[in-house]
Amino acid sequence: AAGVIQSPRHLIKEKRETATLKCYPIPRHDTVYWYQQGPGQDPQFLISFYEKMQSDKGSIPDRFSAQQFSDYHSELNMSSLELGDSALYFCASSLGLNTEAFFGQGTRLTVV
Amino acid sequence: EDQVTQSPEALRLQEGESSSLNCSYTVSGLRGLFWYRQDPGKGPEFLFTLYSAGEEKEKERLKATLTKKESFLHITAPKPEDSATYLCAVRTNNDMRFGAGTRLTVKP
Repeated sequence: AAGVIQSPRHLIKEKRETATLKCYPIPRHDTVYWYQQGPGQDPQFLISFYEKMQSDKGSIPDRFSAQQFSDYHSELNMSSLELGDSALYFCASSLGLNTEAFFGQGTRLTVV
Repeated sequence: EDQVTQSPEALRLQEGESSSLNCSYTVSGLRGLFWYRQDPGKGPEFLFTLYSAGEEKEKERLKATLTKKESFLHITAPKPEDSATYLCAVRTNNDMRFGAGTRLTVKP
């Protein structure tokens, strides 16, 4: 069965650079979530989209933005990167807002 | 403020030693509770969805239950391959919020 696809899997950026993470949800899923997970921590909710509109906003820094496109894929744009942004970034998708979300394998971002 | 608390933080079991993990929540508007398993460096893997108090779901050695204030994940006769971090997540009116997880180690 098709799963959530995230790209790239690994990314190394320097401080103050920008990064774009991509997420391709499971076909027919209309909801996308973004999470940030630091080492030994639980996933922290950043933002979610339902039917291409932002549905909920969590602890997403102002330096980050995201959107969901007409084909339902989503991109997380991160600017002015800081060392503390180094983490695993997960995308998850679901069919509707109240059903289980399925996670991708994550993008490991390292800021040096 | 919405809160999801999991206990214990870590649990070490012998193979075959059954136990339970707890997820308690204080949220405004529970729209669903989800259990996930996460292996190091990988994305959370979906296990169960629970929507209403009294509901139970079962899969192999795992059984999840839900009350109005908490959920339990019961592990019966665990095997070493059940070793992982178990996360519970709560869908509220505002977000899908995770607990800190229980790190389970099952020794042969």
